[in-house]
Amino acid sequence: GDSVTQMEGPVTLSEEAFLTINCTYTATGYPSLFWYVQYPGEGLQLLLKATKADDKGSNKGFEATYRKETTSFHLEKGSVQVSDSAVYFCALGRGQGAQKLVFGQGTRLTINP
Amino acid sequence: NAGVTQTPKFQVLKTGQSMTLQCAQDMNHEYMSWYRQDPGMGLRLIHYSVGAGITDQGEVPNGYNVSRSTTEDFPLRLLSAAPSQTSVYFCASSGQGHLNQEAFFGQGTRLTVV
Repeated sequence: GDSVTQMEGPVTLSEEAFLTINCTYTATGYPSLFWYVQYPGEGLQLLLKATKADDKGSNKGFEATYRKETTSFHLEKGSVQVSDSAVYFCALGRGQGAQKLVFGQGTRLTINP
Repeated sequence: NAGVTQTPKFQVLKTGQSMTLQCAQDMNHEYMSWYRQDPGMGLRLIHYSVGAGITDQGEVPNGYNVSRSTTEDFPLRLLSAAPSQTSVYFCASSGQGHLNQEAFFGQGTRLTVV
């Protein structure tokens, strides 16, 4: 079945550092790929998505490219801020909506000033 | 904008008790889902629905029931609570269509079974 694997956390960085959170997936066919973010005490919010190979999703300075050849969707940001501290989830989905998402285990990110 | 509303936010149950977690959305979304979040395991799909009157099982359905009598509401029932059901539960909704692949999540219900 489908599965998503994220790099182990937690990750701690200094403000303005470069961020990479690795995500790889196992799936047949062509799923859509997502990054969701969860701030403390809140539900998940969509950060970015890509629906086909070589698509790049971007939002709030974060980027991720759908790489079918390496089955990866790594999250990157050039200069992180304290406000980026959160838990980040990589996920894949199929079909018409987002009713059946498969999530990675999440990566907790802490940014120190 | 209310979005997806879950109640209660916190709940403590004794083993064997039953309860219903409520979920309502005001975005007229066809699709709704329930997930549980456990440390180190991400979110796992319990049940989902693609429209009123239609539900199906996800990855971890045992011990849970759902129904979808209206587009807006998708309650999750715990039939006989067990300590293994201690978790944070999230309800999500999304629209139809390949371009609407964004799930909107509620704030969660933290359930403890003692």
